[in-house]
Amino acid sequence: AQTVTQSQPEMSVQEAETVTLSCTYDTSESDYYLFWYKQPPSRQMILVIRQEAYKQQNATENRFSVNFQKAAKSFSLKISDSQLGDAAMYFCACPRFYTGANSKLTFGKGITLSVRP
Amino acid sequence: GAGVSQSPSNKVTEKGKDVELRCDPISGHTALYWYRQSLGQGLEFLIYFQGNSAPDKSGLPSDRFSAERTGGSVSTLTIQRTQQEDSAVYLCASSPNPRFTGELFFGEGSRLTVL
Repeated sequence: AQTVTQSQPEMSVQEAETVTLSCTYDTSESDYYLFWYKQPPSRQMILVIRQEAYKQQNATENRFSVNFQKAAKSFSLKISDSQLGDAAMYFCACPRFYTGANSKLTFGKGITLSVRP
Repeated sequence: GAGVSQSPSNKVTEKGKDVELRCDPISGHTALYWYRQSLGQGLEFLIYFQGNSAPDKSGLPSDRFSAERTGGSVSTLTIQRTQQEDSAVYLCASSPNPRFTGELFFGEGSRLTVL
């Protein structure tokens, strides 16, 4: 079974500063993908960034980047130059590699990020 | 819009009543998922449909919950004899890639309140 752990329920950051959201996971798969999703008050989950486990290079999407430590099973999200629109819940998710009938995503409990103006 | 559509957006019902929640995935997406998000909790997997394969129902919390997907497109999640603990946001997502490598596309969810 897979588990995804986000131990910080809430975080706060000053506008324009940098914040890091932590996530650890456990999987028996050797090849997999990791995701960070954002959920604003509208409730719709939006993909922020994706990391492929076989790639050593950390993924980057504009102001968002990850620190992926495969051996430690750690996958943190760094948000640079934080903006008011970044305020949301952030979920870390790890899939189970497709083996036939089941390829669901396992999500952590989420982190509520607030951005102070 | 071509996104995942869910209805109703909000549903208030009395304990013991049955409810149906609908999900219309993105056209052409073969995979469809239902998740439940309770207050202060993460997303709890409920059920997964992939093409014509038998659905993965391993996340359904009780036999009061069922789901079907007609014609490989629209899905309905049914909760019978609702209980107060069923109150949550029910999220539907679809994915174009049966060999899962990519993201899920989510709807805005259906908020269920059981009085």
